[in-house]
Amino acid sequence: SQTIHQWPATLVQPVGSPLSLECTVEGTSNPNLYWYRQAAGRGLQLLFYSVGIGQISSEVPQNLSASRPQDRQFILSSKKLLLSDSGFYLCAWSARATNEKLFFGSGTQLSVL
Amino acid sequence: GESVGLHLPTLSVQEGDNSIINCAYSNSASDYFIWYKQESGKGPQFIIDIRSNMDKRQGQRVTVLLNKTVKHLSLQIAATQPGDSAVYFCAENIIPSNAGKSTFGDGTTLTVKP
Repeated sequence: SQTIHQWPATLVQPVGSPLSLECTVEGTSNPNLYWYRQAAGRGLQLLFYSVGIGQISSEVPQNLSASRPQDRQFILSSKKLLLSDSGFYLCAWSARATNEKLFFGSGTQLSVL
Repeated sequence: GESVGLHLPTLSVQEGDNSIINCAYSNSASDYFIWYKQESGKGPQFIIDIRSNMDKRQGQRVTVLLNKTVKHLSLQIAATQPGDSAVYFCAENIIPSNAGKSTFGDGTTLTVKP
């Protein structure tokens, strides 16, 4: 069966520090991969999606970047965090063949202080 | 622009009652709709989906209804249980062209009272 791992679960970082969140998927090949951000009490905002290794599309201009060094690995990064980067970050995958429902990781609660 | 929105941000029901969560969408080109359940501190989980060529789809204790004429989607939960307490999101997409980039509503918080 397919599983998605996302870490860390919580992170407290000072303003101006770098960020690296990692997500890996097991049990499937060639998935579409996504990074979403969720503000408290709100819906999900798509940040990045990837349809293959090295292929990244950004949905909103921001202080973050994403990379996909391997087929089932997706990384969210920042060189210098801002206060506004605080939020709940979710990685997700969908099957390439169908592009339908998303399977989410357990999320990372990021607090930038 | 297109948006997916929910009629009510919160819903409180008695255990054992049926729950109905509503959702409006504005993109008439959307052809695939999904309901997700998100428990506190966790990622959303898929509940049920429906394609635009269907009006109704049933799962275990859940039913999704789609009214394309008024661009309305609903999730019905039968015999609501305390474990159903969560935030419920509807999402819409265009398959396969949107590469799974669903647009999410803000969510409805369902509280089940014992």
